[in-house]
Amino acid sequence: DAEITQSPRHKITETGRQVTLACHQTWNHNNMFWYRQDLGHGLRLIHYSYGVHDTNKGEVSDGYSVSRSNTEDLPLTLESAASSQTSVYFCASSEDNTGSKLFFGSGTQLSVL
Amino acid sequence: ELKVEQNPLFLSMQEGKNYTIYCNYSTTSDRLYWYRQDPGKSLESLFVLLSNGAVKQEGRLMASLDTKARLSTLHITAAVHDLSATYFCAVQASGTYKYIFGTGTRLKVLA
Repeated sequence: DAEITQSPRHKITETGRQVTLACHQTWNHNNMFWYRQDLGHGLRLIHYSYGVHDTNKGEVSDGYSVSRSNTEDLPLTLESAASSQTSVYFCASSEDNTGSKLFFGSGTQLSVL
Repeated sequence: ELKVEQNPLFLSMQEGKNYTIYCNYSTTSDRLYWYRQDPGKSLESLFVLLSNGAVKQEGRLMASLDTKARLSTLHITAAVHDLSATYFCAVQASGTYKYIFGTGTRLKVLA
């Protein structure tokens, strides 16, 4: 069965370190998204991609970057982790058709100490 | 810029009661989605609403969309404990594929 997987599930890091969260989908979806979830804010869009070599900034992109070298993967990099980036991160994908729902990964709990 | 607001943020209700969650958005759209999230879990799709007046029902949940009012509602009928979860609406602005989420409504159904 097709799926979307995130790794690691949990990560603890120190302030200032570079961190990369992995997202891999086997749906063959062109659209991929990264969100962070924080209490009181719901899900906020960090970056998104509509296809290979396409990346776009979302609502809260400062301090984050993504790259899309193939259809299956959209890794999220925190260039220099900050305590404000402690959050739960969700990767999602969708078809590029009107009315396509999002398929979510299981999430990554990131703690920056 | 598209903004999505949900209310209430928290809802505690007795089993057997009815209630409605509201989702307002700020720009033109006819594509609205509802998701459910259980504690510590990921999000799962509940409903996809793609036109003005669209209504979808699944069990005790019914969702509707009024694109003119930029409003969607998620109505809960005769709530049961299993419906306790956080519910999110998400909107796609016209001409884009990105999804903007509301803040979520945390529902607790008391026995």
